[in-house]
Amino acid sequence: QSALTQPASVSGSPGQSITISCTGTSSDVGGYKFVSWYQQHPGKAPQVVIYDVNKRPSGLSNRFSGSKSGNTASLTISGLQAEDEGDYYCRSYTTNNTWIFGGGTKLTVL
Amino acid sequence: QVQLVQSGAEVKKPGASVKVSCKASGYTFTSYFIHWVRQAPGQGLEWMGIINPSGGKTTYAPKFQGRVTMSTDTSTNTVYMELNSLGTDDTAVYYCARNWNFLDYWGQGTLVTVSS
Repeated sequence: QSALTQPASVSGSPGQSITISCTGTSSDVGGYKFVSWYQQHPGKAPQVVIYDVNKRPSGLSNRFSGSKSGNTASLTISGLQAEDEGDYYCRSYTTNNTWIFGGGTKLTVL
Repeated sequence: QVQLVQSGAEVKKPGASVKVSCKASGYTFTSYFIHWVRQAPGQGLEWMGIINPSGGKTTYAPKFQGRVTMSTDTSTNTVYMELNSLGTDDTAVYYCARNWNFLDYWGQGTLVTVSS
């Protein structure tokens, strides 16, 4: 079971918007609404930023948003800030009653 | 407040087993699933499996099937993950995390180093 496909890296300047894609198949991303996104800073545990495709955890900035089209989910961060720099991972439920992560994307704020 | 506190770092030799614990507090233990996720040095997150503390039902990732065992102790609100036949590529930080559709609280991670 291969990891979901994410770009290895994305970058943007402060104030800009970026989008990270997460491509799977109809057996995972395309088949369920259970896609979540996680931000991870070096040496820290990940933290959720989006769940169930497009829901934000309580208290999280509305600069983070999620969507899905077919077998591809996307995370958009608007009004980019220096603190947004880090690694981002998508995660999806699968038809095998298992879960799978994406390979991860390194976000650099220029 | 919700907390997941994991056991300390381990150093193991190839072929050995390791058992990592994850003690939960601040919520009703049997109301939330626990997942195990690992991260090798410089690598991405890898889902290992899930356990329902209410009843102990488990589902493991195919990669770890036959080599991993997850269990719970409801008297101490603790979940365990045991991995057998360790190889050097099992060197990683192992995390426990709560919930089902998304992981809302994570343990601090346990570094397991496999080296001869």
